[in-house]
Amino acid sequence: EVQLVESGGGLVQPGGSLRLSCAASGFTFNTFWMSWVRQAPGKGLEWVANIKPDGSGKNYVDSVKGRFTLSRDNAKNSLSLQMNNLRVEDTAVYYCTRGDVWGQGTTVTVSS
Amino acid sequence: SYELTQPPSVSVSPGQTARITCSGDALPKKYAYWYQQKSGQAPVQVIYEDTKRPSEIPERFSGSSSGTMATLTISGAQVEDEADYYCYSTDSSGSQSVFGAGTKVTVL
Repeated sequence: EVQLVESGGGLVQPGGSLRLSCAASGFTFNTFWMSWVRQAPGKGLEWVANIKPDGSGKNYVDSVKGRFTLSRDNAKNSLSLQMNNLRVEDTAVYYCTRGDVWGQGTTVTVSS
Repeated sequence: SYELTQPPSVSVSPGQTARITCSGDALPKKYAYWYQQKSGQAPVQVIYEDTKRPSEIPERFSGSSSGTMATLTISGAQVEDEADYYCYSTDSSGSQSVFGAGTKVTVL
């Protein structure tokens, strides 16, 4: 079964850091672009970042550039999003996705 | 920054046809994808590469694209199709991906 499972969400103060992880299974992970998409409470979907199958190319939405870093470990079938200098407006459910398959999301709350 | 424009809401009666549009300057060169999201659930892809439907998606869902507009059509909408629908694509360089703001479909 193709599956994506996110972890690492939680409550953090503004300016703090979190590292999200996504464990992939049931497919050949190193052949797919992977992305993070977030959804703030009551709002629409927002693409955050994506990464090439071999990890050699990454793209980010402007609002997270310089603060978030996306990486992948193809040997471990895992995707990570390092989030630094978090802001209140980063509060959202974060989804890991390969486009046609989505995880259930992990919740990040940035609040003092 | 690149934007995709969708209507905020569409309402239809059961059995009628719902059409949701998505406009963007790069759509003549870039594929559109469509996602359905029901309350409290993760998104589900209903159309990919403008017109293709995943095997598990009912045939009443179809996609088309012409010029700067992509369209998701639900032919014979059912009550269970009530959801938010998002289009997704990339800018002309392929480096910036974006979702439309979403369209709430009501079937009643």
